[in-house]
Amino acid sequence: ETGVTQTPRHLVMGMTNKKSLKCEQHLGHNAMYWYKQSAKKPLELMFVYNFKEQTENNSVPSRFSPECPNSSHLFLHLHTLQPEDSALYLCASSPGQQGEYTEAFFGQGTRLTVV
Amino acid sequence: DAKTTQPTSMDCAEGRAANLPCNHSTISGNEYVYWYRQIHSQGPQYIIHGLKNNETNEMASLIITEDRKSSTLILPHATLRDTAVYYCIVSYLDGNKLVFGAGTILRVKS
Repeated sequence: ETGVTQTPRHLVMGMTNKKSLKCEQHLGHNAMYWYKQSAKKPLELMFVYNFKEQTENNSVPSRFSPECPNSSHLFLHLHTLQPEDSALYLCASSPGQQGEYTEAFFGQGTRLTVV
Repeated sequence: DAKTTQPTSMDCAEGRAANLPCNHSTISGNEYVYWYRQIHSQGPQYIIHGLKNNETNEMASLIITEDRKSSTLILPHATLRDTAVYYCIVSYLDGNKLVFGAGTILRVKS
């Protein structure tokens, strides 16, 4: 248990569906991240939020829409996904303090299958 | 961020030390070396980090060469539960942009 909770753990959705992934942390962290891990590929950083503001978007397609309503919660809204978007989606958080190391804590991930 | 190079896979006997190398020849002066690992079907877990001095914690030791172009993660007494993918990452102090490579698959065998 890392203190970062992701729901749901598994999700199957059709290409025309709209769904959302949720990430929650009560570690007092100010930075939150979304990563994507496709089969046999390294983790890919998708989005970074610092103090609720998006500070990084690694050319992620617009069918993925992040939302960070407060420092404890991060969502990833999904719509009109493609089968190649099937992957493990990981959320992480870190203290976000500038000038000192901020170890990242990862959730268990959501295993997404697009059919 | 500097690129890292790690062997694809390694085997280690249970109870022996596991030494995982990492090359980061383009590391800049203020970039740190971080190690994370990912056990199957779980999120990555932080292990250790360092700048230029060797570091040790309850999980592992990190040995960084004097020129900082390479490092070695040492698990002193590997157990079966240490079987995982180990990632060596170079990034700035705040670690705000951890870029993961392919890592090294470590298999600990009895």
